[in-house]
Amino acid sequence: NAGVTQTPKFRILKIGQSMTLQCTQDMNHNYMYWYRQDPGMGLKLIYYSVGAGITDKGEVPNGYNVSRSTTEDFPLRLELAAPSQTSVYFCASSYPGRSSTDTQYFGPGTRLTVL
Amino acid sequence: AQKVTQAQTEISVVEKEDVTLDCVYETRDTTYYLFWYKQPPSGELVFLIRRNSFDEQNEISGRYSWNFQKSTSSFNFTITASQVVDSAVYFCALKGYGGSQGNLIFGKGTKLSVKP
Repeated sequence: NAGVTQTPKFRILKIGQSMTLQCTQDMNHNYMYWYRQDPGMGLKLIYYSVGAGITDKGEVPNGYNVSRSTTEDFPLRLELAAPSQTSVYFCASSYPGRSSTDTQYFGPGTRLTVL
Repeated sequence: AQKVTQAQTEISVVEKEDVTLDCVYETRDTTYYLFWYKQPPSGELVFLIRRNSFDEQNEISGRYSWNFQKSTSSFNFTITASQVVDSAVYFCALKGYGGSQGNLIFGKGTKLSVKP
């Protein structure tokens, strides 16, 4: 299993540009999450999904959109990039309901800079 | 509201010293889980341990040990005989079951530097 994979690893955007951060998991987890990590801070939840076709906002959703058309993929869309979105983005997945696997596993992260 | 506090922002030790990372949490949920993750300089987040609110047994895994005390709402992490490879940022996180869909609430992390 590759686990949770994210692309790209690094990206520089200009203000106002748009992009999609890709996230794929091969563990058949039904829950998926997007977090952002700002310097010196813990992670904050942007959006999450409890299954294909179902998404909901987290703590800091403004400026982002998500979709979940398959169990495996959970892309994060930035429509109009702003400097405040400079951050490291982590995707995670989990399978709640099975106590032994109710743990979130994280991808390697995408470092995004908006100039 | 749920909250995780890691009061130690940075800790520096010399190799082979023991070090304890503190974690204090707040939650109104009676069922919750606590986690520790390690973020090495390479940036990925590595899961270390998960503990549920009904299990207060301490856990030991090699040089790592965890002390969970509900009476003080703490879930501290001790590294015995630290090594340079332990240098990383360590995050404590909380997941409750009284509110949103089980997302993790993270502390701000403790940066551990182990010097040779």
